[in-house]
Amino acid sequence: AQTVTQSQPEMSVQEAETVTLSCTYDTSESDYYLFWYKQPPSRQMILVIRQEAYKQQNATENRFSVNFQKAAKSFSLKISDSQLGDAAMYFCAYYQGGSEKLVFGKGTKLTVNP
Amino acid sequence: KAGVTQTPRYLIKTRGQQVTLSCSPISGHRSVSWYQQTPGQGLQFLFEYFSETQRNKGNFPGRFSGRQFSNSRSEMNVSTLELGDSALYLCASSLRGHTEAFFGQGTRLTVV
Repeated sequence: AQTVTQSQPEMSVQEAETVTLSCTYDTSESDYYLFWYKQPPSRQMILVIRQEAYKQQNATENRFSVNFQKAAKSFSLKISDSQLGDAAMYFCAYYQGGSEKLVFGKGTKLTVNP
Repeated sequence: KAGVTQTPRYLIKTRGQQVTLSCSPISGHRSVSWYQQTPGQGLQFLFEYFSETQRNKGNFPGRFSGRQFSNSRSEMNVSTLELGDSALYLCASSLRGHTEAFFGQGTRLTVV
């Protein structure tokens, strides 16, 4: 079964600085999707960024970018120019076509200090 | 375009009772999935429906059930509630599969 591991339960960053959240996963498949979701105190899961495994180019969305290392099964999220509104739980998730489910890591709580 | 709507937002039930939660997906989305979120277990997959058919089910007891209607709205039901069922229940919708899933704000269920 696929597993997703987030080794950092909590992280903190100063406003305007850069922070990297780590995620590793385990799969024997070659075609899959990886995601980072943000869950603020409002509880709604918000999709931050998506990476398709067959694409070698790392995904970017404004201040958010990923470092996708397929061979190492690593998928880290870099947040540049951190803002107070970035404070939230961040979840790494895996999806394989046909499974019809997301597999989530345990999450990383990000605190942004002013 | 309206997002995923879950009702109710909060619910308090007594052990042994049953509860029904509702999820209205984004218009045009035919896939609806449910997840249970607890501090100890994190986010766990409950089940997924597409065009009224359950395509996958997580490792939960038979007390947890769901269904999807022809308009893609979905309900999940938990019978004989236990204290451990207290959790945030999240619903997600997508066009097909989970290549881009959108979540609702969840229903916070407290069992006392």
